[in-house]
Amino acid sequence: DTAVSQTPKYLVTQMGNDKSIKCEQNLGHDTMYWYKQDSKKFLKIMFSYNNKELIINETVPNRFSPKSPDKAHLNLHINSLELGDSAVYFCASSQEVGWDYGYTFGSGTRLTVV
Amino acid sequence: RKEVEQDPGPFNVPEGATVAFNCTYSNSASQSFFWYRQDCRKEPKLLMSVYSSGNEDGRFTAQLNRASQYISLLIRDSKLSDSATYLCVVNRYKLSFGAGTTVTVRA
Repeated sequence: DTAVSQTPKYLVTQMGNDKSIKCEQNLGHDTMYWYKQDSKKFLKIMFSYNNKELIINETVPNRFSPKSPDKAHLNLHINSLELGDSAVYFCASSQEVGWDYGYTFGSGTRLTVV
Repeated sequence: RKEVEQDPGPFNVPEGATVAFNCTYSNSASQSFFWYRQDCRKEPKLLMSVYSSGNEDGRFTAQLNRASQYISLLIRDSKLSDSATYLCVVNRYKLSFGAGTTVTVRA
């Protein structure tokens, strides 16, 4: 059973398009996250939701809009895609906010904007 | 200043060698600390938590120095399968990652 699953795994799209990435966790965790890993391999948090409520919103362009319909799902919608959005996007979850025992990550969505 | 600064490597070591590297963190209020491992084109996976008293997990030893805001990882008797990028991670309401240390173990 996959603990944190993301779809799609790969996404190639043209500049200006709108796309969504979906994430689901079956661990019963309360908190979910989106991280972005750029070409320099640096992982940076974008958003965090706890029980469907947004609790972390880092400095991210407002073209990125997360949505959490329930605590097991966290989706990421990106409008007007730009070349610089090309990266790997990882979803993660943890038991609760500030959980001291680490997060579980999904396998990532590799987004390429052409 | 980045929240987590990490020795980037790369470290290229023969099988059986010992390799050690470290990182520093800027937020003294950080509450928990980890080493994650990331293989090429894969997600990060928790390797071990790091405690002030130092802790071991098999061939891996991690150390935390809160006074100096310094975390280290030592790998003994390196295996080919240890080749990966090791991410230093600190937690204060969110995980903040270092840029990673690349380790390559050669036969």
